[in-house]
Amino acid sequence: GAGVSQSPSNKVTEKGKDVELRCDPISGHTALYWYRQSLGQGLEFLIYFQGNSAPDKSGLPSDRFSAERTGGSVSTLTIQRTQQEDSAVYLCASSSQAGPGGYGYTFGSGTRLTVV
Amino acid sequence: AQSVSQHNHHVILSEAASLELGCNYSYGGTVNLFWYVQYPGQHLQLLLKYFSGDPLVKGIKGFEAEFIKSKFSFNLRKPSVQWSDTAEYFCAVNAHNQGGKLIFGQGTELSVKP
Repeated sequence: GAGVSQSPSNKVTEKGKDVELRCDPISGHTALYWYRQSLGQGLEFLIYFQGNSAPDKSGLPSDRFSAERTGGSVSTLTIQRTQQEDSAVYLCASSSQAGPGGYGYTFGSGTRLTVV
Repeated sequence: AQSVSQHNHHVILSEAASLELGCNYSYGGTVNLFWYVQYPGQHLQLLLKYFSGDPLVKGIKGFEAEFIKSKFSFNLRKPSVQWSDTAEYFCAVNAHNQGGKLIFGQGTELSVKP
């Protein structure tokens, strides 16, 4: 597609429920990233996929968070047993090269998650 | 672990004032450096980037940034801001041993008064 597409754009969920957030990267981009943006906290790295390599999960805050990328394209971020502190905007980005060059990302519009 | 510090959390300027936003990073190896901007209601977009060569890089909309390796800094500048520059600005670092992963600063909110 022309850009990085994320769905849903907004999600309100009850504490304790599971949620799935979807990211559809730019066609042909081999690298895909998930970040979390909280008010006043900047962008917090969550997880990074590059091609067929094992993902870099070093930013996932707890084992309630997981992500997968199927067929090297669409990615789903799953948060189990949501907590109020999970409320944030979840951003996905993709890039065409993810080696030491790091040419910069194209971001999606994000999913605003509110846990009530 | 790498980190990025943006010391100014909120900057308020009048139109035509000069802008400088500070960015410092902690990493001793080779890095790529970026500034991203997020206008109100819009998604993050790349403002400028430094990979190698001339440490003074120019980006869109009259912005520029200077990489000073000895100071681990990559400050963003603009000689004369406009009301339309009101946005949040994020500095980011890619360390060469971290694949394509970017580490972002906490962001600086810029408010420009007309």
